[in-house]
Amino acid sequence: GQNIDQPTEMTATEGAIVQINCTYQTSGFNGLFWYQQHAGEAPTFLSYNVLDGLEEKGRFSSFLSRSKGYSYLLLKELQMKDSASYLCAPMDSNYQLIWGAGTKLIIKP
Amino acid sequence: GAVVSQHPSRVICKSGTSVKIECRSLDFQATTMFWYRQFPKKSLMLMATSNEGSKATYEQGVEKDKFLINHASLTLSTLTVTSAHPEDSSFYICSARTGDVTGELFFGEGSRLTVL
Repeated sequence: GQNIDQPTEMTATEGAIVQINCTYQTSGFNGLFWYQQHAGEAPTFLSYNVLDGLEEKGRFSSFLSRSKGYSYLLLKELQMKDSASYLCAPMDSNYQLIWGAGTKLIIKP
Repeated sequence: GAVVSQHPSRVICKSGTSVKIECRSLDFQATTMFWYRQFPKKSLMLMATSNEGSKATYEQGVEKDKFLINHASLTLSTLTVTSAHPEDSSFYICSARTGDVTGELFFGEGSRLTVL
């Protein structure tokens, strides 16, 4: 079956760095997306990785290892507004996004 | 980025009535739109794929007659929850891509439905 595994919740301090890990099992693979979702709002796109390695975009970076079925989202210089859920969503062979429940990130002052 | 607009953002209705939710791509044409449902602290659940000019493709377990989807134009898809019941109360979200199948999804603002 298809499966996404992310921590349910993480807590970090403002200004610090946090890494949110995601392991996945899918039927085929066509890349992996990370989305941010604030409570009560729709998800917004953060990143897309299809090749192994690190993609950096400002304070956010995303890493992918296809052989390990593993990805992480790295958030630097955390701000209070980064408090949200972070959704790891790999795309399977049918180009369907497989959604996990996400990781709720709590930022403390 | 591209803009997808969803309306209404919140709706409260009585049990047995029908509710229509609109999803519009404001600055691009979307041949395909996706409708999701999300329960609190749960993952997005794909309900159906809406195809312009043809019937929607529903995911297993989603009632076609309950959740009517119409994709009448390249910029508008509608989801109608028919004969709504309290268990239909949920957060409904639409999304669309601007380009190919590996492109990012742009989401509407979501519609919170409460059925009394």
